[in-house]
Amino acid sequence: DGGITQSPKYLFRKEGQNVTLSCEQNLNHDAMYWYRQDPGQGLRLIYYSQIVNDFQKGDIAEGYSVSREKKESFPLTVTSAQKNPTAFYLCASMLSGTARVQPQHFGDGTRLSIL
Amino acid sequence: KQEVTQIPAALSVPEGENLVLNCSFTDSAIYNLQWFRQDPGKGLTSLLLIQSSQREQTSGRLNASLDKSSGRSTLYIAASQPGDSATYLCAVDQTGANNLFFGTGTRLTVIP
Repeated sequence: DGGITQSPKYLFRKEGQNVTLSCEQNLNHDAMYWYRQDPGQGLRLIYYSQIVNDFQKGDIAEGYSVSREKKESFPLTVTSAQKNPTAFYLCASMLSGTARVQPQHFGDGTRLSIL
Repeated sequence: KQEVTQIPAALSVPEGENLVLNCSFTDSAIYNLQWFRQDPGKGLTSLLLIQSSQREQTSGRLNASLDKSSGRSTLYIAASQPGDSATYLCAVDQTGANNLFFGTGTRLTVIP
């Protein structure tokens, strides 16, 4: 069954700690995205990747890092430099290279909280 | 910078009623506009994608319209059902690279 898997579903971070959120897709999509969702706000783009070994910063990249070593995987690291990391994090992927833009497919999210 | 607004923030309707959700955006130079549904604690599910050259898209009981010049889109839901209860988000793509600007959503409750 094709889809996007985010893990863990819930994650707790201590002060000064880096944590990594996993995102894996088996849809054979080239493009992948990370968003942050806060209560009462829309989704905001953190990072995106159009192809393996390449990624670009979104609107709120400070305090985050990513890698794209494999097509299927796009992990997000929340570093200690991110002072307000508590949020719901969503990963998405999209089939690119088609005549028309396709909609993004989303995972079920990871909720990150500070201890 | 593009700003996307959705009004109302929350809406409750009795089952069977037709309803309209509104989305407005400040920069009319968009590539497409997309509507998504989000259930509590879950990711987003794509509902409809309207290209900038289109006026509307339909899928089942859902119809989305786009008026680029006035910076508005509406999502019409016919014969609402309790299963339609969710948060509905609109998003605009300005570049065609699918880097989306999202609204804050409308939380819909359909009362049986």
